[in-house]
Amino acid sequence: DAGVIQSPRHEVTEMGQEVTLRCKPISGHNSLFWYRQTMMRGLELLIYFNNNVPIDDSGMPEDRFSAKMPNASFSTLKIQPSEPRDSAVYFCASSLHSGGASGELFFGEGSRLTVL
Amino acid sequence: SQQGEEDPQALSIQEGENATMNCSYKTSINNLQWYRQNSGRGLVHLILIRSNEREKHSGRLRVTLDTSKKSSSLLITASRAADTASYFCASTSGGSYIPTFGRGTSLIVHP
Repeated sequence: DAGVIQSPRHEVTEMGQEVTLRCKPISGHNSLFWYRQTMMRGLELLIYFNNNVPIDDSGMPEDRFSAKMPNASFSTLKIQPSEPRDSAVYFCASSLHSGGASGELFFGEGSRLTVL
Repeated sequence: SQQGEEDPQALSIQEGENATMNCSYKTSINNLQWYRQNSGRGLVHLILIRSNEREKHSGRLRVTLDTSKKSSSLLITASRAADTASYFCASTSGGSYIPTFGRGTSLIVHP
């Protein structure tokens, strides 16, 4: 298996532009997570999907952020409009959740976003 | 807010020495996991310990869990330069199965 695939790996954009980050989870996994990592705040959960349905989006910072999972093999995280404080590394992770127990998360290599 | 907090924030040792990192958490947990992150890469799962377990081994890794003190430790024995990375603990608690991560311990192993 190729693992969790994220694109782009690096994105540099100007304030006000729309940013779309993409994620392909591991085939067969039913849970997908978007995390954001910064030096100041560490690793923060943004949103969690189970069986393609958003379960917990309480970590999404504001309305400028949105996430979708149209099918089991694809998810997007969109920021519109982007701001400099959105600069961070965004990670997608997937796992197989069963029986009320969480297993290990498999992370992608991340998308490093810089908003000028 | 962070459920787990690692200690120390940074650790610098010589190759061959043991490295011990600690994780404290606030509420009762279902399980606790340790992850490793090399610079510029994603996190990689190392080991999972359940709330009813006290110790677990995997190769040079040893994890302990003390639920009375709400803490866990990760011991890396006979460290290597390739162990240089950040190490994170993550826990799930209550009815949630979403892992919450600590801030991490940055480990540097000098050759």
